[in-house]
Amino acid sequence: GAGVSQSPRYKVAKRGQDVALRCDPISGHVSLFWYQQALGQGPEFLTYFQNEAQLDKSGLPSDRFFAERPEGSVSTLKIQRTQQEDSAVYLCASTATKSYEQYFGPGTRLTVT
Amino acid sequence: GESVGLHLPTLSVQEGDNSIINCAYSNSASDYFIWYKQESGKGPQFIIDIRSNMDKRQGQRVTVLLNKTVKHLSLQIAATQPGDSAVYFCAENFSGYSTLTFGKGTMLLVSP
Repeated sequence: GAGVSQSPRYKVAKRGQDVALRCDPISGHVSLFWYQQALGQGPEFLTYFQNEAQLDKSGLPSDRFFAERPEGSVSTLKIQRTQQEDSAVYLCASTATKSYEQYFGPGTRLTVT
Repeated sequence: GESVGLHLPTLSVQEGDNSIINCAYSNSASDYFIWYKQESGKGPQFIIDIRSNMDKRQGQRVTVLLNKTVKHLSLQIAATQPGDSAVYFCAENFSGYSTLTFGKGTMLLVSP
């Protein structure tokens, strides 16, 4: 079946612009995670949803970062007033109920110029 | 050989060799561990997992070893192939906290 998909795959933004990154999880997966991956580093947790409820947003680096999952399926990560330090790959992952195995999408590479 | 600091540790092997990738995890309360493989331009791909009540688990060409005493995890790949070239991450989780904490990663380079 289809895996986790993310769009766009690449995004170039000028500093100060707002961006929106989309994640389509595997159908039926209850939990959804966003991670930020800097070059040469492992993914770092940003936020977690169970259905439409955002249960943990402790990893969001600033109040410029906002995530939503209004209907418990597709999720959007929004970054306002982008800064150069926001340049990274943003990964989305989903899991089935009662599973720890996270399935990752291909990521969105964000470059802020 | 290996390098540290800002660069990823790198393991270079010949095709057909066995590879061992090591990981030190941080949380003694972690009870679930996963190895992921990440190829350039792709998201991490699940390889194998192990729970803390086990010391060893085998998959197809891969074995994970867990040493809880020293908080060490290793991934063994048998008969390494060029297609195994990627960055490998270990990740840990503990019950009641759903997200994964990833290690820094090791780049595996396999020469034909």
